[in-house]
Amino acid sequence: DADVTQTPRNRITKTGKRIMLECSQTKGHDRMYWYRQDPGLGLRLIYYSFDVKDINKGEISDGYSVSRQAQAKFSLSLESAIPNQTALYFCATSDRRSSYEQYFGPGTRLTVT
Amino acid sequence: GNSVTQMEGPVTLSEEAFLTINCTYTATGYPSLFWYVQYPGEGLQLLLKATKADDKGSNKGFEATYRKETTSFHLEKGSVQVSDSAVYFCALSPTSGTYKYIFGTGTRLKVLA
Repeated sequence: DADVTQTPRNRITKTGKRIMLECSQTKGHDRMYWYRQDPGLGLRLIYYSFDVKDINKGEISDGYSVSRQAQAKFSLSLESAIPNQTALYFCATSDRRSSYEQYFGPGTRLTVT
Repeated sequence: GNSVTQMEGPVTLSEEAFLTINCTYTATGYPSLFWYVQYPGEGLQLLLKATKADDKGSNKGFEATYRKETTSFHLEKGSVQVSDSAVYFCALSPTSGTYKYIFGTGTRLKVLA
């Protein structure tokens, strides 16, 4: 089984709808991250969390919110989806004892029509 | 601020050709440098890393040397295979706060049989 899982893998939704993307990890890592990937722009950090009680905004947090329900779970919400949030979303984890490497989930492809 | 610039793709090579993907960075202090690879339909995987000047990271026949004097971390492989077709991302982790990666825009490599 994969160490970092994301659900759903693909989602099509309409403008104005609320949507939640979920991430779970079995690596026992304390740090979790949400990124979005857009063609030609690489990956950009949306939110990151160092533990259940520590959540921080990344470079593009507007329009998004997150919840760290447990050490192993980190969900990303779009309260009112808009078309320019169409992108590939990745969850990642890392261990504070070895912060250099981040482990990525398989991604969620979100389309907002 | 910190930034990563990598060559635009796509790069198309014949099998067994020599590969170079250029990556340069701007950062204060001594960042850690990484190459990640993204195979079709998958998340990013760490390919190699270097944490100080003159370090050489290597994995699966790929190599990159941390050159502080030229602020570069170019990815090379002597003989590419069709299975190397993927998108390659250069990234840095700043000296202060290793949680925050800065990614390049990615370079797509296509290897033809």
